[in-house]
Amino acid sequence: DIQMTQSPSSLSASVGDRVTITCRASQSISSYLNWYQQKPGKAPKLLIYAASSLQSGVPSRFSGSGSGTDFTLTISSLQPEDFATYYCQQSYSTPIFTFGPGTKVDIK
Amino acid sequence: QVTLKESGPVLVKPTETLTLTCTVSGFSLSNARMGVSWIRQPPGKALEWLAHIFSNDEKSYSTSLKSRLTISKDTSKSQVVLTMTNMDPVDTATYYCARTVGIVATSFDYWGQGTLVTVSS
Repeated sequence: DIQMTQSPSSLSASVGDRVTITCRASQSISSYLNWYQQKPGKAPKLLIYAASSLQSGVPSRFSGSGSGTDFTLTISSLQPEDFATYYCQQSYSTPIFTFGPGTKVDIK
Repeated sequence: QVTLKESGPVLVKPTETLTLTCTVSGFSLSNARMGVSWIRQPPGKALEWLAHIFSNDEKSYSTSLKSRLTISKDTSKSQVVLTMTNMDPVDTATYYCARTVGIVATSFDYWGQGTLVTVSS
């Protein structure tokens, strides 16, 4: 099975900061990588699909990049509503899926 | 409007079998491009994918839990059912169902609200 790792596991940032989260796959997954945001007590929300495509309705401050094994989620200017946990997920091996362990973004 | 809603027991005893139902609306489980997965999240922990079913009834399971899981669907009722046998306290989690569209490079674009299942005697 394809394994996913994320770094850092948590970070503290201020409103307005540029935040970057990294996701790595244990083998090449082309661009079959999705990003989700989850707030406490809520279901995850799809932010980015196919590594760099912005889901409808998601603010443009979110962006994704990467291919192969290394991927990045960037928040260009952190807003108060962006404090949450972020998960990457591979769909290269559809219909077998894998999530990363998550990165928690909290207030500095 | 696409919605998914999970239902099932709040509490199960160790060794019992868990049955969860995901009722969907706003799309059809018979649509050739649609699929539904079950995903769980223990309290304070990460998301774990469990099982998936496509419109053509093709099924897939987590390697580590395959022996305990069965996924099925009733298209006429717009429901996807997950059963998990031999429940253990470590299976305590919020269980989500989520939709995928497409066969390749899919993503979970809609999620249910989740249902918390506690395993305890």
